[in-house]
Amino acid sequence: ETGVTQSPTHLIKTRGQQVTLRCSSQSGHNTVSWYQQALGQGPQFIFQYYREEENGRGNFPPRFSGLQFPNYSSELNVNALELDDSALYLCASSRGDSPDTQYFGPGTRLTVL
Amino acid sequence: DAKTTQPNSMESNEEEPVHLPCNHSTISGTDYIHWYRQLPSQGPEYVIHGLTSNVNNRMASLAIAEDRKSSTLILHRATLRDAAVYYCILRDDSGGSNYKLTFGKGTLLTVNP
Repeated sequence: ETGVTQSPTHLIKTRGQQVTLRCSSQSGHNTVSWYQQALGQGPQFIFQYYREEENGRGNFPPRFSGLQFPNYSSELNVNALELDDSALYLCASSRGDSPDTQYFGPGTRLTVL
Repeated sequence: DAKTTQPNSMESNEEEPVHLPCNHSTISGTDYIHWYRQLPSQGPEYVIHGLTSNVNNRMASLAIAEDRKSSTLILHRATLRDAAVYYCILRDDSGGSNYKLTFGKGTLLTVNP
């Protein structure tokens, strides 16, 4: 148990729809990162938030967006869903003064039909 | 980001030591070597990290070659619970970078009873 929770656990959407995934970080952690993991692949970095500001972004289009709230929880929003967006979405939290240890949640499994 | 090379899979027997290799011949002086593992149906879990010296913690040991072009994760006594995908990751610690992790495909470790 890492103390990082994600909701929902599973989600089914159709192509073109929009989805919001949520992450509650571990207590005391002010940094949240989001990753996409396709089947059989390692996680791929989407973006990171530090104290409510985006702090780096991976190679993902603008229809992937995020937010971090004052309590350091976070949301990942994906617009205009495509079939290839089907994946496990992971969030990871860490402390600003100890960034090397990232604590991952169990993920949200998104299926796009 | 500098790349790492790991075997696709390895097998071990329960209660025996396991040495998981990682090659990173293009590592730079500011790259930290991180290991994470991902158990089935879970998010990745931090194992250990280091820069130049060998490191030990309650989970594992990290042996880093003198030229830093390779490293080995050592599990001293494998248990069935250690069956997972193990990721060797280089993280750039030069000033201004965010703390993203760039995962490869990792090594699938099977532990036989």
